[in-house]
Amino acid sequence: AQSVSQHNHHVILSEAASLELGCNYSYGGTVNLFWYVQYPGQHLQLLLKYFSGDPLVKGIKGFEAEFIKSKFSFNLRKPSVQWSDTAEYFCAVNLNYGGSQGNLIFGKGTKLSVKP
Amino acid sequence: DGGITQSPKYLFRKEGQNVTLSCEQNLNHDAMYWYRQDPGQGLRLIYYSQIVNDFQKGDIAEGYSVSREKKESFPLTVTSAQKNPTAFYLCASTADIRYYQPQHFGDGTRLSIL
Repeated sequence: AQSVSQHNHHVILSEAASLELGCNYSYGGTVNLFWYVQYPGQHLQLLLKYFSGDPLVKGIKGFEAEFIKSKFSFNLRKPSVQWSDTAEYFCAVNLNYGGSQGNLIFGKGTKLSVKP
Repeated sequence: DGGITQSPKYLFRKEGQNVTLSCEQNLNHDAMYWYRQDPGQGLRLIYYSQIVNDFQKGDIAEGYSVSREKKESFPLTVTSAQKNPTAFYLCASTADIRYYQPQHFGDGTRLSIL
């Protein structure tokens, strides 16, 4: 069965530190890739997405992610985190069956805590 | 503003009782979804519906039921057969499952057992 793995359950960083959250998926075909964020007390919202084209995707709030097909990875990065980035981050994969997409498969999430 | 409304925000269930969680959207989206979120488990798909009067089981459908009588509404019933219902339930929608549309989410309902 297809799956999405997020390597870190909880990441703790100081402000201005660089961030990289890992995401790997297990599917050899065409995929669409997403990162969602859930700030404390708020609903899930889309951070960035990859469908095709440039594998380096820019999202909101200075986040970016790189799709590396050979590694089945879509890691999330930010050069300098802020206290307001404290949230839970979910990677999700959507399998592309020749133009129609399947349902989103979510990773288990990574909690990011940023110390001021 | 368009969006997804889930109610209630908190819900308590007694043993042997069925409860229904409401999800309404005014985004004119075709597809709607119910997810269950447990700590450390991420989101798992319960049921989804691509069009009115049609729905499909997701990965963890046992103990749950849904209906889709209107495009705007996709209520989820947690039946007494669901032995571990305590969780956070999220409803989502997307414009058309055939297209590359990420899903929009509601604020969730937290269900607990009395």
